[in-house]
Amino acid sequence: SQTIHQWPATLVQPVGSPLSLECTVEGTSNPNLYWYRQAAGRGLQLLFYSVGIGQISSEVPQNLSASRPQDRQFILSSKKLLLSDSGFYLCAWCHGGSTDTQYFGPGTRLTVL
Amino acid sequence: SQQGEEDPQALSIQEGENATMNCSYKTSINNLQWYRQNSGRGLVHLILIRSNEREKHSGRLRVTLDTSKKSSSLLITASRAADTASYFCAAGGGNKLTFGTGTQLKVEL
Repeated sequence: SQTIHQWPATLVQPVGSPLSLECTVEGTSNPNLYWYRQAAGRGLQLLFYSVGIGQISSEVPQNLSASRPQDRQFILSSKKLLLSDSGFYLCAWCHGGSTDTQYFGPGTRLTVL
Repeated sequence: SQQGEEDPQALSIQEGENATMNCSYKTSINNLQWYRQNSGRGLVHLILIRSNEREKHSGRLRVTLDTSKKSSSLLITASRAADTASYFCAAGGGNKLTFGTGTQLKVEL
């Protein structure tokens, strides 16, 4: 069966510090991968998605970047965090070539102080 | 930006009652999906309805889709306290989903 891992679960970082959040998927090949951000009490905002290694689509121009160095690994990064980067970050995957069911990781709660 | 809008934003009902949530979207879709999120957790997929379908059932869930009105509804019958959560619709198309703003459902004993 497929599983998705995200870490860390919580993170407190100072303004101006770098960020690296990692997401890995097991039990499937060539998945589509997604990074979302959720502000408190709000819906999900799609940040990046990837349909293959090295292929990144950016949905919202901002202080973040994403990379997919391996088929089942998706990384969200920032060189310098802003206060507005605080939120709940969710990684998800679905079978490649589709917009069917997405499977979500447990999320990372990021607080920028 | 968020494409979908859910209505109502919050809903409080008694256990055993039915809960209905509505969703509107703006562009053409391949499918419309509903997800559930317990506080502080990831989302869990509930049900998917394709653009050529009008109604679908899964257990206590019933979802309808009206592509002419670009709207969908989710009905949860005989609600339970454990159904307390946030519910999101998501419009599927072009390798991605666009999520609505969500409905917070509270089911009281």
